[in-house]
Amino acid sequence: DGGITQSPKYLFRKEGQNVTLSCEQNLNHDAMYWYRQDPGQGLRLIYYSQIVNDFQKGDIAEGYSVSREKKESFPLTVTSAQKNPTAFYLCASNYLGSHNEQFFGPGTRLTVL
Amino acid sequence: QKEVEQDPGPLSVPEGAIVSLNCTYSNSAFQYFMWYRQYSRKGPELLMYTYSSGNKEDGRFTAQVDKSSKYISLFIRDSQPSDSATYLCAMTPYNNNDMRFGAGTRLTVKP
Repeated sequence: DGGITQSPKYLFRKEGQNVTLSCEQNLNHDAMYWYRQDPGQGLRLIYYSQIVNDFQKGDIAEGYSVSREKKESFPLTVTSAQKNPTAFYLCASNYLGSHNEQFFGPGTRLTVL
Repeated sequence: QKEVEQDPGPLSVPEGAIVSLNCTYSNSAFQYFMWYRQYSRKGPELLMYTYSSGNKEDGRFTAQVDKSSKYISLFIRDSQPSDSATYLCAMTPYNNNDMRFGAGTRLTVKP
């Protein structure tokens, strides 16, 4: 089955720790995205990548880092510099040059203890 | 002013009702409009996609775009309890992956 997978589903972090969220897609999509979702707010873009070994900051990149070593994978690291990391994190992907609709993974809920 | 405004609700309707969900936007560069449905603790799933002004129908769902008024709507006919979810509007400029989302409207359809 084609799709986007995210792991883990739930993640708990102690203050001061870095954690990495996984995102994998087997849709052969060119572009991948990371969003953060907080209650009562729309999705906010953290980082995106349109091609391997290249990525761009979104609206709220501070305290996060990403890599894109393979087309299928786009892991997100939440660093200790992120002051309020508790949120629902969503990964998405799409084809470049498509009509822009993005397809989402199931999400990772990160809680800072 | 936010680029995309969406009434967060919550909205509660009886089963069988017609539901109207709306978003307004300020950026006239937006050309593609989407509606996503998100069940609790799940990722959003694409429900409807439209480009031009006018109506697009898919089963019980109708998406409406009025570019002159910068206003989009999603209508759900014969609403079912399984339609209970949060509905997110989203939009992008032409040939640009910079997607902007509304805050989402939480809908509950009561049996």
